[in-house]
Amino acid sequence: DAGVTQSPTHLIKTRGQQVTLRCSPKSGHDTVSWYQQALGQGPQFIFQYYEEEERQRGNFPDRFSGHQFPNYSSELNVNALLLGDSALYLCASSFSPEGTYEQYFGPGTRLTVT
Amino acid sequence: DAKTTQPPSMDCAEGRAANLPCNHSTISGNEYVYWYRQIHSQGPQYIIHGLKNNETNEMASLIITEDRKSSTLILPHATLRDTAVYYCIVSIIQGAQKLVFGQGTRLTINP
Repeated sequence: DAGVTQSPTHLIKTRGQQVTLRCSPKSGHDTVSWYQQALGQGPQFIFQYYEEEERQRGNFPDRFSGHQFPNYSSELNVNALLLGDSALYLCASSFSPEGTYEQYFGPGTRLTVT
Repeated sequence: DAKTTQPPSMDCAEGRAANLPCNHSTISGNEYVYWYRQIHSQGPQYIIHGLKNNETNEMASLIITEDRKSSTLILPHATLRDTAVYYCIVSIIQGAQKLVFGQGTRLTINP
């Protein structure tokens, strides 16, 4: 059983550009959450998707948007990149109806903005 | 902001028990205590969770005080592979759960 997968592994972008990160949840999971982890900090919650809808959002600007597809995979889009967007972006999946006992995290996408 | 307070770093000798404390004095009645760890360059990994009773699984034990204002994660026989950042998190267990991570405790297991 493949766990949570994310692509790409690493990415380098220039200020002002746009980026799309992808996540495939663990088999059987229907909920996807995205987190941003700056160097030396704990992960910060961006938003969560369930049934193709954004269910909850953290304190991130509208430049951060997402999407969930019918197969439960998800994308995170960031527009007008800033240097401060450089971070490890983590995707976590869980199974919602039973209550979220644990979230399974992917290995992350390392985004560098120059 | 994180609802938990943890020491920034700890050391433990290999083979000994590692005891990681966490304070969560403002925990609500419907919030669970979760522990995750993050080994360098990997995504966080779930370890254990509990409400008010002590819990044990194959990875660790969780001791929660009777007033639920603090807890201790115990790794009974620490190995070098347990070197990681350990996060204590309080969160509800249903609905749109989001994990609020603090700075965590950087645990170093020494040979």
